[in-house]
Amino acid sequence: GNSVTQMEGPVTLSEEAFLTINCTYTATGYPSLFWYVQYPGEGLQLLLKATKADDKGSNKGFEATYRKETTSFHLEKGSVQVSDSAVYFCALGDYKLSFGAGTTVTVRA
Amino acid sequence: GAGVSQSPSNKVTEKGKDVELRCDPISGHTALYWYRQSLGQGLEFLIYFQGNSAPDKSGLPSDRFSAERTGGSVSTLTIQRTQQEDSAVYLCASKPGLSADTQYFGPGTRLTVL
Repeated sequence: GNSVTQMEGPVTLSEEAFLTINCTYTATGYPSLFWYVQYPGEGLQLLLKATKADDKGSNKGFEATYRKETTSFHLEKGSVQVSDSAVYFCALGDYKLSFGAGTTVTVRA
Repeated sequence: GAGVSQSPSNKVTEKGKDVELRCDPISGHTALYWYRQSLGQGLEFLIYFQGNSAPDKSGLPSDRFSAERTGGSVSTLTIQRTQQEDSAVYLCASKPGLSADTQYFGPGTRLTVL
């Protein structure tokens, strides 16, 4: 079956620091890959996605590339802001999603 | 437009009682999903609907859990004889069809079983 292993954190950074959250997966076939974000007090929102190998998803300065050879989909942002403080979930699937455990990120001013 | 809505937002119940959780998907979305978010288990798939049919119920934890969908729209998740381990946030999501990539999530119902 499908599964996702995600760096659990918590991660604490200063503003303008570089952020990377590791995500690796095992999957049957080649499902789509996603990063979802949950801001404090809010619901899950799609941050970015990639639907096939070598695709790069990007949004709000975040990027992740679907790497088939390393079965990874690491999330990166070059310069984080306080407003990026949230819980980030890596997920994969086509008709149903399998999620990682979530990574709590806190950005300090 | 309106997103996925869920009610109630919070539910506190006593062990052994039955509860019903409601999900209103985005209008026109034929695929509807239920997930559970709990401290010990993370985010888990429970069941999904395509129209009114549920082709995959594999994530339902026990026969105390059931769900239905009527009119290809509203869905209800029912938990009978609730237990303390059922305490979690229950999330609903929808998408336009099975071939669509992105699921849109509701705000969730926080269930607390005393």
